Amino acid sequence: AQSVTQLGSHVSVSEGALVLLRCNYSSSVPPYLFWYVQYPNQGLQLLLKYTSAATLVKGINGFEAEFKKSETSFHLTKPSAHMSDAAEYFCAVGTSGTYKYIFGTGTRLKVLA
Amino acid sequence: KAGVTQTPRYLIKTRGQQVTLSCSPISGHRSVSWYQQTPGQGLQFLFEYFSETQRNKGNFPGRFSGRQFSNSRSEMNVSTLELGDSALYLCASSFQRESTDTQYFGPGTRLTVL
Repeated sequence: AQSVTQLGSHVSVSEGALVLLRCNYSSSVPPYLFWYVQYPNQGLQLLLKYTSAATLVKGINGFEAEFKKSETSFHLTKPSAHMSDAAEYFCAVGTSGTYKYIFGTGTRLKVLA
Repeated sequence: KAGVTQTPRYLIKTRGQQVTLSCSPISGHRSVSWYQQTPGQGLQFLFEYFSETQRNKGNFPGRFSGRQFSNSRSEMNVSTLELGDSALYLCASSFQRESTDTQYFGPGTRLTVL
């Protein structure tokens, strides 16, 4: 069975500091991994997606994530946080043939001035 | 290109009533998925449709049902509403048949059950 674990339901960083949001997955078959962001009262917006083409994936708004099979991780990073990055971030896993995503419980990012 | 649209955006119902939510996918997308989002349970998969066929269903009671029309628009119905059904219901669409294709989410319908 697939699962996703996001460590830290709340993360606070100072503006300009490194953002690191953690995601670990469990899958018996090669996974496809996604990071989404959700702003208040809105749906989910795709940040980036891993589909086995490259282990380092670059997304929108300066975010990137690295797939590490040995660690079963897909952590999201951004070198310098901006106030507009404050939102909730979700990691999700999908596998071929299941037609659904399994989402993590989310990490709420707070950016301090 | 217009995004995924969901109607209505907000809904208030009372226990025992039923409700129908609508989702219009991105033009050309044939797959529509539905998710329930609550503070306690997070995002949970309800069901997915492709070309009017349900391909997968989550672990929800039979009160939750859905359908897809020939134009790919989808509806979900919840009968005999319970207080615990209060949630944000999100619809997502994707282009192709492969389940790992990117899903694009709508803004959601906020359902409140009193």
